[in-house]
Amino acid sequence: AQTVTQSQPEMSVQEAETVTLSCTYDTSESDYYLFWYKQPPSRQMILVIRQEAYKQQNATENRFSVNFQKAAKSFSLKISDSQLGDAAMYFCAYRSAVGDKLIFGTGTRLQVFP
Amino acid sequence: ETGVTQTPRHLVMGMTNKKSLKCEQHLGHNAMYWYKQSAKKPLELMFVYNFKEQTENNSVPSRFSPECPNSSHLFLHLHTLQPEDSALYLCASSLAGPSYNEQFFGPGTRLTVL
Repeated sequence: AQTVTQSQPEMSVQEAETVTLSCTYDTSESDYYLFWYKQPPSRQMILVIRQEAYKQQNATENRFSVNFQKAAKSFSLKISDSQLGDAAMYFCAYRSAVGDKLIFGTGTRLQVFP
Repeated sequence: ETGVTQTPRHLVMGMTNKKSLKCEQHLGHNAMYWYKQSAKKPLELMFVYNFKEQTENNSVPSRFSPECPNSSHLFLHLHTLQPEDSALYLCASSLAGPSYNEQFFGPGTRLTVL
């Protein structure tokens, strides 16, 4: 069975600085998708960024980028130029290329200080 | 209303009560999901519906009974719950098909079982 591990329960960063959130996963599959979701306090979970396992190029969405290391089964999220609005729970998630199941990690709470 | 909506937002019930959670999506999606989010645990997928047919039941106790009358609506009927069922229940929707497809989440129903 696939598992997703986020080893950092909490992280903090100063405004305008860069922070990296870690995620590792375990799977025997070769084709899958990885996601980072953001859940602000009392607000809906939204997709931040996604990566297809067959693509070697790391995904980027504005200030958000990933470091995808397939052999190491690592999928970290880098947030550049952090903003106060980035404060939230961040969840790493895995989805097989076949099937409906989205498997989440336990999340990392990110605090952003002015 | 836009996106994915859930009602009620908060629910307190006794162990002998029967209640229902409602989810509605306004995105033209054809797959809908129920997740359970408990403190310090990963989000747990409960049920998946594709084109109104249940395609996943993640070993959920029978005191949780889902219903999907059409592609836009999803219900979770609750009966004889236990205090450990207290959690945030999230609904999500997506286009059925490739696992690449993003899941859109509702704001959740905060359930407290006394």
